[in-house]
Amino acid sequence: NAGVTQTPKFQVLKTGQSMTLQCAQDMNHEYMSWYRQDPGMGLRLIHYSVGAGITDQGEVPNGYNVSRSTTEDFPLRLLSAAPSQTSVYFCASSYSLGTEGNTIYFGEGSWLTVV
Amino acid sequence: AQTVTQSQPEMSVQEAETVTLSCTYDTSESDYYLFWYKQPPSRQMILVIRQEAYKQQNATENRFSVNFQKAAKSFSLKISDSQLGDAAMYFCAYRSSGANSKLTFGKGITLSVRP
Repeated sequence: NAGVTQTPKFQVLKTGQSMTLQCAQDMNHEYMSWYRQDPGMGLRLIHYSVGAGITDQGEVPNGYNVSRSTTEDFPLRLLSAAPSQTSVYFCASSYSLGTEGNTIYFGEGSWLTVV
Repeated sequence: AQTVTQSQPEMSVQEAETVTLSCTYDTSESDYYLFWYKQPPSRQMILVIRQEAYKQQNATENRFSVNFQKAAKSFSLKISDSQLGDAAMYFCAYRSSGANSKLTFGKGITLSVRP
């Protein structure tokens, strides 16, 4: 059981470049989300999805796009990377209803540096 | 909007001793879930313990237990018989019981364990 899988684990980008962080889960979770973690800020929600074809903005959505074409995958796109997007990114998923107490499961994180 | 506050940025404990990590939250809801996540240096987010607000009994997982005070909106984590492997950052998190609700994190506390 792979759980939540994120790729790549490490990435260095130049300012203005674009890239996609991949996220896949094999638990048939309806709910998927992306967080970023910065020092002293905890984890902040970027975008989330409650099912295939449905996405919505979180707390810090600017500079990021998402799509949800399948239940399993939820990629995060940086269209024009900026140094302020240097962070650790986490993909997370859960069942949408009260199964297992709404526990959210996390991927291992993706370290992104924008120079 | 819900908020989660972890007022202590750092704590230290002697190996084999007990330590309590504090967390308070603000919500107008009556039904919700509370979590403690552990983040070791690898940055992986590991679920430590979960508490359902409708349950009066405090959750326990081996050496980890919580003191859930619903009226005071307090959710502290007690680690007994601390081990070197407990050294990590710990995040308190809140999730409402509604379908597809987001997870709101505190800013975290860094726990060090002295041998």
